[in-house]
Amino acid sequence: EVQLLESGRGLVQPGGSLRLSCAASGFTFNNYAMSWVRQAPGKGLEWVSAISDSGISTYYADSVKGRFTISRDNSKNTLYLQMNSLRAEDTAIYYCAKGGVVVAALTNWGQGTLVTVSS
Amino acid sequence: QSVLTQPPSASGTPGQRVIISCSGSSSNIGSNTVNWYQQLPGTAPKLLIYSSNQRPSGVPDRFSGSKSGTSASLAISGLQSEDEADYYCAAWDDSLNGVVFGGGTKLTVL
Repeated sequence: EVQLLESGRGLVQPGGSLRLSCAASGFTFNNYAMSWVRQAPGKGLEWVSAISDSGISTYYADSVKGRFTISRDNSKNTLYLQMNSLRAEDTAIYYCAKGGVVVAALTNWGQGTLVTVSS
Repeated sequence: QSVLTQPPSASGTPGQRVIISCSGSSSNIGSNTVNWYQQLPGTAPKLLIYSSNQRPSGVPDRFSGSKSGTSASLAISGLQSEDEADYYCAAWDDSLNGVVFGGGTKLTVL
């Protein structure tokens, strides 16, 4: 059974940093691209970033480019999202998701972790 | 403002057929496949349709997807009360070099 478990939730001040982790199990992690998707309170889904199976290629939404960094450690079956220069508008539930036949076909999702940016 | 356009709401009575539309452009739906997600209240999204018209294992055949040009549709037949949820379309965008989502459609079963 595929399992994705996010961690790193927290309250951080504007301008601060936070690193999210996603521990994966139940599938061959290094065979799949992975993504982060977020959902602000009461709002829709927003794709944040994706990384190829090898970690060589990374992709970012314009809203986070230059501030967030996606990475993965295939030896630990873990996906990361380093978030710097956080803004109030980054407040959201952050989901880790496993890619499928294409990056946009996210076959499995974690339960999400809440990030709150506030002073 | 979302890159993909969906109606904010849709509704139907049990047993009815409901269609949710998703409109995009040549850089996303026009050149890539469409995926649909269902999000029940308080839960993580679930992949409903991938590659425009394929159902993952376990998704009832009441759900079907189609794509034509720069638009796509999700059809739900034999509507059930448990289908009440938010539905999102998504596709890769070649110009943005990333995934784009629709704004979501809240489906109400009357």
